[in-house]
Order: sequence, then structure tokens, then C-alpha cells
Amino acid sequence: ETAVFQTPNYHVTQVGNEVSFNCKQTLGHDTMYWYKQDSKKLLKIMFSYNNKQLIVNETVPRRFSPQSSDKAHLNLRIKSVEPEDSAVYLCASSSDWGSQDTQYFGPGTRLLVL
Amino acid sequence: SQWGEENLQALSIQEGEDVTMNCSYKTYTTVVQWYRQKSGKGPAQLILIRSNEREKRSGRLRATLDTSSQSSSLSITGTLATDTAVYFCATDDQGGSAKLIFGEGTKLTVSS
Repeated sequence: ETAVFQTPNYHVTQVGNEVSFNCKQTLGHDTMYWYKQDSKKLLKIMFSYNNKQLIVNETVPRRFSPQSSDKAHLNLRIKSVEPEDSAVYLCASSSDWGSQDTQYFGPGTRLLVL
Repeated sequence: SQWGEENLQALSIQEGEDVTMNCSYKTYTTVVQWYRQKSGKGPAQLILIRSNEREKRSGRLRATLDTSSQSSSLSITGTLATDTAVYFCATDDQGGSAKLIFGEGTKLTVSS
């Protein structure tokens, strides 16, 4: 049963464009995440919010910025995409912050930068 | 890095066979979580095993954790074609942020 929703499913764009991905969770969780998954399936955390507060901000290019309007939504904006941004972006949520909690993932947004 | 340098491993087996996937980690962890990711989907958790547990079972799945050798395994008995997926283990980041660090995954293909 899907409870973490992501839009769009797939996005193709040109280098230099701005893109924005949306994520919504209906689980009532306090924590949300953005991960980047490369072509080798490696999952790297990018950002994490707990109760609308940024608690993890990995070393990612400054063109990436998370946007949290409330605990149920966490969007990701990329200001000027580069070819190396082509990847699957996965949103997840958990009831609380910490490695002891199960993370529930959305289906991902696949980005292709031409 | 929390993990070794291995690339995405691939295993191909026949339906009905048993399979065990292993992962090792470099630093202490309080928990190992195993996730499965099917094609076109996000990862879904299968089992969470804590550092004070040596084994945990869930249906056809069995996870083990050996903190002395810093390794964990996930076994699936009587595999089905629907078990075809990439399997990840994830551990604590002992750098202090308590975030989950995912390993590089094992691609399992079960043929019917």
C-alpha cells in the first residue's frame, strides 16, 4: 500500500533548467528524507527533515534545495541541472528520526538531463 | 565509508532454491535493516535486526547479525520469481547523526 507519493514519475530536461519534485506522505510521520540513487543503485541520503526542521544536509551541490511546507510534504528543487544529476530521486518518511525506525519510500522520480 | 568497495553484486538462481546474501560493515552499528527494491519501485523494509539480536525471522526470510565480525546476512528459503529485486542492508552512521547508511546492494534474479 503506497503511502509516500512522488510526482512526477519521470522528467526529462535540458542542462541549466530548473526542476522541482514533490513528495507527500500520508503516514503521519515526523521525518522525511530525500535520497539520490545512481545507475548502480547506490542510495545516498541528501536531506532529512524532522518536524519541519532540517537535520541532515549532506554535501550536495548548492543548486539542490529542499522545501518543507509541513510535516507531510518535502519537495526538492534543483536550480540549474547538470548531466550528473540524472538519477532516481527517492523520498522517504519515518515516524521519528534515527536509524532504529523503518523508512517508507515512495516510487521515485527518475530525472534525465540531456 | 561505512562499506567496502564492492560493486552491485548479482545472483541468479532458480525458483525454489534457497539463497543467502551477505554484507559487512566497517564500524559499530546498533541496528541492521534489510530492504528490497523491485524494479520501478522504492525500497521496502524486510527485516530490522538490532545489535543485541543474533537472528530474526519473518516468513521465508531469516536475518543474522554478527557484531564481532561486523557482518549480517539475509537468507530466503524457497525463492519465488517475485523475490527478484535488489536487496540492501543499511546500518547506523556512527558519525553521530544517527542516519541510515545503505550498502551497495545485491541484485537477485529468480528464474521460474
